[in-house]
Amino acid sequence: QSVLTQPPSVSAAPGQKVTISCSGSNSNIGNNYVSWYLQLPGTAPKLLIYDNNKRPSRIPDRFSGSKSGTSATLDITGLQTGDEADYYCGTWDSSLTSWVFGGGTKLTVL
Amino acid sequence: QVQLVESGGGVVQPGTSLRLSCAASGFSFSDFGMHWVRQGPGKGLEWVAVIWYDGSKRFYGDSVRDRFTISRDNYKNTVYLEANSLRAEDTAVYYCARDDGIGATHIDHWGQGALLTVSS
Repeated sequence: QSVLTQPPSVSAAPGQKVTISCSGSNSNIGNNYVSWYLQLPGTAPKLLIYDNNKRPSRIPDRFSGSKSGTSATLDITGLQTGDEADYYCGTWDSSLTSWVFGGGTKLTVL
Repeated sequence: QVQLVESGGGVVQPGTSLRLSCAASGFSFSDFGMHWVRQGPGKGLEWVAVIWYDGSKRFYGDSVRDRFTISRDNYKNTVYLEANSLRAEDTAVYYCARDDGIGATHIDHWGQGALLTVSS
């Protein structure tokens, strides 16, 4: 069982918006920054969002992140078939003194 | 640009040891923490270990603590993962990854991964 909880799967139609949630506790999300990672099939993960809501320069503004209390959210607007991938949230856990990932969410663009 | 290249994967028997290496280039290696993250077949990401930029701190995931050791050589720009008492459940692709700070900030770059298979 992952320390951070994500829905196993989400789906939406092309052009629509989807939200992926990530739930944790005070020792992780509640007191540390959250980052999000995208993993296309058969490839290494790559950074999508860091420090809760910042995007690396190469990431389009269709991707956005937010955090409230012990939960974080990744929003993807204007869905494209190329967005089909697994998405992971991650953060440092101060009690465990370890990095923790969510279990991952598989996005299907119908 | 940042490059991380893992090596040392392969097929090993249960109970044996193996050392993974990750050669880094394209950045000032000694300024950044380094992680190992693994992904078992059909599974999600599992964080394995982190070492601080100067090697002063090391932290491990529960499933590998006391069996795996992370280390680094800032002269060779290389991070290592010594894996002992290997089990079938250690079978995974092992990714080397850079922390965007000294060690507990966030992962910003990943290698392509090295496959370790533990099987008799």
